[in-house]
Amino acid sequence: GAGVSQSPSNKVTEKGKDVELRCDPISGHTALYWYRQSLGQGLEFLIYFQGNSAPDKSGLPSDRFSAERTGGSVSTLTIQRTQQEDSAVYLCASSPRGATSNYGYTFGSGTRLTVV
Amino acid sequence: TQLLEQSPQFLSIQEGENLTVYCNSSSVFSSLQWYRQEPGEGPVLLVTVVTGGEVKKLKRLTFQFGDARKDSSLHITAAQTGDTGLYLCAGANSGGSNYKLTFGKGTLLTVNP
Repeated sequence: GAGVSQSPSNKVTEKGKDVELRCDPISGHTALYWYRQSLGQGLEFLIYFQGNSAPDKSGLPSDRFSAERTGGSVSTLTIQRTQQEDSAVYLCASSPRGATSNYGYTFGSGTRLTVV
Repeated sequence: TQLLEQSPQFLSIQEGENLTVYCNSSSVFSSLQWYRQEPGEGPVLLVTVVTGGEVKKLKRLTFQFGDARKDSSLHITAAQTGDTGLYLCAGANSGGSNYKLTFGKGTLLTVNP
C-alpha cells in the first residue's frame, strides 16, 4: 500500500484480556519495527524484523508480549493478560532496509490501547 | 543505554517568531533524524543527518548535526501555525544495531496566530 497501515486505530480492553494489533507495512520494505509511545515517556523500541533474519526482541517488556511477521509482510503484536500499564499508543514503522543511516522510518498512525 | 535529551520540553510562541530546539546526548550516533508528529498520527520524517557538522535546510527549517555527532539542533525561522506539533529527534546506534533508533521525549511546539 501507499503507507503503513495499522489496525485497529483504537482498542479498549478489560484487564486480563488478550489483544492483537496488526501492522501492514509498505510493500517492498524489508524492515519492520514496533515502538510504544507512552505519555511523557517518548518512543520505546519493542521489536525489529528484517527479512528472514531472527527478530531483535530485546525491547519487549515482558513475556506477555510477542510478535510475529508472516511472509515477510504483515506483522501482529500480541499482548496477553493485559495490564493497565500496557495502555499506550503502539506504533509500527517500516523502512526499505535495516540500516537507518540514510533511510528513515515510515510510521503508521498507531493503535491507541486502553486497558480498563 | 543511549539517551537523547530534548529541550525545551514545551514551547509556545507567536507566529513569525524564530525558535531553536535542542537534542543532546553523551553518546555518539551514526546518524540522527528529526520527526514531526501531529495528534493521532505517527511521526513523519523531516530529515536525516549523517556527517558531523552537517547542516541541512528544509524551507524555513535548518537542522545541524554536532561535530562530534552527539547533539543536534533544529531552527525554525518565521514560525507558522502549521509548524505546530511534537518534534522528535532520534539517533541511530553506532555499531551493529544501527537499525535501532533511540528517541528523545520530544518538544511540543505551539505556534499561536
